[in-house]
Amino acid sequence: ETGVTQTPRHLVMGMTNKKSLKCEQHLGHNAMYWYKQSAKKPLELMFVYSLEERVENNSVPSRFSPECPNSSHLFLHLHTLQPEDSALYLCASSQELGGAFPGANVLTFGAGSRLTVL
Amino acid sequence: GNSVTQMEGPVTLSEEAFLTINCTYTATGYPSLFWYVQYPGEGLQLLLKATKADDKGSNKGFEATYRKETTSFHLEKGSVQVSDSAVYFCALLTGGFKTIFGAGTRLFVKA
Repeated sequence: ETGVTQTPRHLVMGMTNKKSLKCEQHLGHNAMYWYKQSAKKPLELMFVYSLEERVENNSVPSRFSPECPNSSHLFLHLHTLQPEDSALYLCASSQELGGAFPGANVLTFGAGSRLTVL
Repeated sequence: GNSVTQMEGPVTLSEEAFLTINCTYTATGYPSLFWYVQYPGEGLQLLLKATKADDKGSNKGFEATYRKETTSFHLEKGSVQVSDSAVYFCALLTGGFKTIFGAGTRLFVKA
């Protein structure tokens, strides 16, 4: 399998549940990202990892907890979410974190995990 | 701060019509500019990019020119197809690693 794969594609959870979103990339990229896509709003960058180290936490509430066990896998652990957290969560990767060479920071996205919080 | 503004949609066109989606940006330094496209049920994918002033990015019949004097990067296509129906995102990257996206413009193309 190639590209960026996200599971599950759809998730419905109650406010007291704990669930996790998974992202896997088979591109040999060194940087991985979580974005939140809500209706009629720009994409919001949530977290950035480079070589398994978190380099950005964009003021995200602690009910979202990322984990990057290796450069190919990224998780987003969810607990005690609110209905306003319902959105499409997109994972992306890039070859490198910055613009070390042309194309290094071009993002490759997964298809997303559609989350509904009841 | 850095930001991207693109025209609100939806944009509805008939097949073979000319397409323009406007995008303007505010940035410090010299950003790279991108158009990403999101087809139904999929994630975003890179459509084209330009890294310096007066560069023209092109792909699949789409074009956009990096205009520093007007801080714009408008997307154009001469003849759209039904298969071009999607959401189009203008984006910029300056300095570090934070790609900043516009709100997206939905395009519907009718047969």
